Amino acid sequence: DTAVSQTPKYLVTQMGNDKSIKCEQNLGHDTMYWYKQDSKKFLKIMFSYNNKELIINETVPNRFSPKSPDKAHLNLHINSLELGDSAVYFCASSQVGTISYEQYFGPGTRLTVT
Amino acid sequence: SQQGEEDPQALSIQEGENATMNCSYKTSINNLQWYRQNSGRGLVHLILIRSNEREKHSGRLRVTLDTSKKSSSLLITASRAADTASYFCATDNRYQGGSEKLVFGKGTKLTVNP
Repeated sequence: DTAVSQTPKYLVTQMGNDKSIKCEQNLGHDTMYWYKQDSKKFLKIMFSYNNKELIINETVPNRFSPKSPDKAHLNLHINSLELGDSAVYFCASSQVGTISYEQYFGPGTRLTVT
Repeated sequence: SQQGEEDPQALSIQEGENATMNCSYKTSINNLQWYRQNSGRGLVHLILIRSNEREKHSGRLRVTLDTSKKSSSLLITASRAADTASYFCATDNRYQGGSEKLVFGKGTKLTVNP
């Protein structure tokens, strides 16, 4: 069984469109994340949710809106897509407590904006 | 902002040789983690070393941490072609609310030639 899954795996769309990426984890973790990996492989956190509550919001344009219907799901909606949004988006989850734990990553969604 | 900085950016070795990758960071950390990313895939957690630890082993992996120099190294012994991947260090910056914020370096691309 896949621990962290994302759909779709590939997304090709035109500038100005609105799109969503879905993420689900079956690990029972409380915390989920969205990361963006650019063409140079640099991975940067965008958002983090803990038990459906937004915890981290890293200076991401407000065209990006995460939504967590329950602690097993964290979706990413992007409005008015721009060329610079082209990247690979990774969802991740972890069990955060008083000590740090590793994060489990999904397979990624490659977004191409034309 | 970027925290970890891996060195070298790319490393090519022959099967059976050892591979050493280094990571430097700027601020105090709770822990440092190493992840592997195979081409076109998500990141996979390899090993976590806490700030009060100096060395840790996991199979063919050995990680060291020198907090006085703000640096870490990942050693892969007796490398195999299957070790070909990008390797990232990530430092744990504890965010308010207890959520973990991992800050990733740019990665080292390791190629193991059969």
